[in-house]
Amino acid sequence: GAGVSQTPSNKVTEKGKYVELRCDPISGHTALYWYRQSLGQGPEFLIYFQGTGAADDSGLPNDRFFAVRPEGSVSTLKIQRTERGDSAVYLCASSRDGMSTDTQYFGPGTRLTVL
Amino acid sequence: KQEVTQIPAALSVPEGENLVLNCSFTDSAIYNLQWFRQDPGKGLTSLLLIQSSQREQTSGRLNASLDKSSGRSTLYIAASQPGDSATYLCAVSGTGSARQLTFGSGTQLTVLP
Repeated sequence: GAGVSQTPSNKVTEKGKYVELRCDPISGHTALYWYRQSLGQGPEFLIYFQGTGAADDSGLPNDRFFAVRPEGSVSTLKIQRTERGDSAVYLCASSRDGMSTDTQYFGPGTRLTVL
Repeated sequence: KQEVTQIPAALSVPEGENLVLNCSFTDSAIYNLQWFRQDPGKGLTSLLLIQSSQREQTSGRLNASLDKSSGRSTLYIAASQPGDSATYLCAVSGTGSARQLTFGSGTQLTVLP
């Protein structure tokens, strides 16, 4: 079956612009996660959804970052007033129901470059 | 705050060698530990997941062990092949939030033909 997909694969924007990154999880997976990966580092947790609600948003760096999952499937990560330091690969993952026994399945990521 | 460290940061071996990648974590209160593989420009592929109650997991040429009390895990790769070349990431799921993963920075493995 289809895995986690993310669009766009690459996004180049200018400082101060608004961007939206999309994640399509594996069908039927209720848990969805966003991570951010800087060059040479492991991914860092941003936010976790269980169904439509954000169960844990403790990793969002500041209020310029926001994510939604209105129907419990597709999620959008929104970044306002982008800064050069936001440049990174944004990874989305999903798991069956968010239990600690679940494997998280990752998408290919969106590479964001802020000029 | 949980911290995950992976040593070495990079490793180069000739084809056919057996090798061990190391992962350590500071807070032993974890739910599980996962090993992932990441190819350049790609997402992460889960290799093995070890629950906190388990000591090891095996899949093909891969064997992962977990010593929760000492905060250590190893990934053993037998008979390495050039196709094993990738970055290997270790991640733990903690009890504070059972869902989010805390990752190490990875070990970049190169297997020379």
